[in-house]
Amino acid sequence: QKEVEQNSGPLSVPEGAIASLNCTYSDRGSQSFFWYRQYSGKSPELIMFIYSNGDKEDGRFTAQLNKASQYVSLLIRDSQPSDSATYLCAVNPDQGGKLIFGQGTELSVKP
Amino acid sequence: DAGVIQSPRHEVTEMGQEVTLRCKPISGHNSLFWYRQTMMRGLELLIYFNNNVPIDDSGMPEDRFSAKMPNASFSTLKIQPSEPRDSAVYFCASSLMGGQPQHFGDGTRLSIL
Repeated sequence: QKEVEQNSGPLSVPEGAIASLNCTYSDRGSQSFFWYRQYSGKSPELIMFIYSNGDKEDGRFTAQLNKASQYVSLLIRDSQPSDSATYLCAVNPDQGGKLIFGQGTELSVKP
Repeated sequence: DAGVIQSPRHEVTEMGQEVTLRCKPISGHNSLFWYRQTMMRGLELLIYFNNNVPIDDSGMPEDRFSAKMPNASFSTLKIQPSEPRDSAVYFCASSLMGGQPQHFGDGTRLSIL
């Protein structure tokens, strides 16, 4: 069973703090990793993707991948109330197109 | 650029009726995906197509569900007959090719009474 695990939260952080979201996956052969943000009642929106071990930065967002430990994380610096949403981790296990999604972590940024 | 376009946005119908959901992928994208999202099960892949050909339909719940992609710019997901447990939000997504980032449509919120 190929699985992607996330803490459901809610994760609550104060405005301006760093939010750290974590995800583990079971299929060691997975190659592509994605983070989506989903506001309540809206569709998932792509935030970051990462293919190689290490860090990838885009503005306030940093994705971190460690294939040996089979985890991927998303850091959000200078968190804003507008970052409050559910963050979905998705893993492509075989480059065939299929994405396996975690259940999502709910993030709440308090002013 | 136009994103993935889904219709209808909302559908309310009675049990036993046929439901057809529609999707137009982003132009130039070769892969198309149908997902279902519920509180209990999260976001689940139902079926995906590469170059209009169904590749993996293992997520389709049962024979009441069918999907087609007659050309590169249009796909349908059909439920016949519909049941209350089919109530969910159905998303369509597309990507340039398999393994590339997927972009989601706004979804169809389906309620079966």
